[in-house]
Amino acid sequence: DTGVSQNPRHKITKRGQNVTFRCDPISEHNRLYWYRQTLGQGPEFLTYFQNEAQLEKSRLLSDRFSAERPKGSFSTLEIQRTEQGDSAMYLCASSLTGFENTEAFFGQGTRLTVV
Amino acid sequence: QQPVQSPQAVILREGEDAVINCSSSKALYSVHWYRQKHGEAPVFLMILLKGGEQKGHEKISASFNEKKQQSSLYLTASQLSYSGTYFCGTDLNSGGYQKVTFGTGTKLQVIP
Repeated sequence: DTGVSQNPRHKITKRGQNVTFRCDPISEHNRLYWYRQTLGQGPEFLTYFQNEAQLEKSRLLSDRFSAERPKGSFSTLEIQRTEQGDSAMYLCASSLTGFENTEAFFGQGTRLTVV
Repeated sequence: QQPVQSPQAVILREGEDAVINCSSSKALYSVHWYRQKHGEAPVFLMILLKGGEQKGHEKISASFNEKKQQSSLYLTASQLSYSGTYFCGTDLNSGGYQKVTFGTGTKLQVIP
């Protein structure tokens, strides 16, 4: 296992189209997170899962955004009816539970450009 | 609420020291420090827990003042490889990494 994997790395889409991103976490990690990062900003929390349960969603996650993690393994983030403001880097991270000093490991992200 | 980092940017010559500060308006359980190089994923540096000790990692160390809700990252004898953007992340909850809110980052450039 070489780390958190995200696909695709880049996505260009026309405004109004739907897009879906995939994240494969480190295999033994039961927590999975989605962040959005725009240029010059820190990662913004979107949502996180523990196993297959979505435990929290940010207010940033509008109705056009949906995330799933079937069977507690990989996760998908779908954006419907994309808008230009959705252009950003979407980062996925994963971590273990059960330890206070656990860190999250980030993937390299999917860069979305909405034209 | 997003933690505030200072300075926003700093340029160092190799061998110089730097301090990056992170402050929050809320009581924190943990502070997480990451470094991100351009076009790459954020990479974990260290985590500081409420009631824990100052951490060290080679020539990079950090402290956490729970009462002031502040953390500082210390980089000593900087190397070219330290260049990147440093983010602090804060978590209000115990139980390991959960809903970590990141600051806007401090861009560090180390020059020869």
